[in-house]
Amino acid sequence: SQQGEEDPQALSIQEGENATMNCSYKTSINNLQWYRQNSGRGLVHLILIRSNEREKHSGRLRVTLDTSKKSSSLLITASRAADTASYFCATAPSIQGAQKLVFGQGTRLTINP
Amino acid sequence: KAGVTQTPRYLIKTRGQQVTLSCSPISGHRSVSWYQQTPGQGLQFLFEYFSETQRNKGNFPGRFSGRQFSNSRSEMNVSTLELGDSALYLCASSLADDYEAFFGQGTRLTVV
Repeated sequence: SQQGEEDPQALSIQEGENATMNCSYKTSINNLQWYRQNSGRGLVHLILIRSNEREKHSGRLRVTLDTSKKSSSLLITASRAADTASYFCATAPSIQGAQKLVFGQGTRLTINP
Repeated sequence: KAGVTQTPRYLIKTRGQQVTLSCSPISGHRSVSWYQQTPGQGLQFLFEYFSETQRNKGNFPGRFSGRQFSNSRSEMNVSTLELGDSALYLCASSLADDYEAFFGQGTRLTVV
């Protein structure tokens, strides 16, 4: 079952602009991870944020987590054509015996040159 | 450090056949998980193994099974293939709970 919902489903921006994607989930989590996928290939791990963290940075990526609202956002600054891909959030539910990672449906990001 | 390796990359099988997919995790990682990705259902969790034991299982029929070996390599098997089993099958490995899960390039299975 899909726990996460991502918003928007598709996003198209100009190169150099910032891109923001949002993820909402339903149950308590241990951590939330963001991934990138190019054209149906493997998932590339971007960043992990734990439930006791509120913000993390990695290069041009900034992730926030609000456990009270059960939501997270991924910000990509100064976008490049190579950032064109689908982006997924995945949650690790804290419920014992729950699924290992539960994915959202993803946001399709297109960077226009 | 080598990443997660999945073999084969592509497979074409006929309905009713069975298939075995292989996953070699990152060295030192003991947790291996399997996921199915389809356009309609998205990414769905299949099962997770840790130290040769299945710890979690998703909502898939018994035709889907897996195992993990003492060197942490894992295989998944699908018996009596159906057209709906056509999908990208992804394997992920992680060091332990609450750590990053790193994915392989996947195996694209087509059932005809």
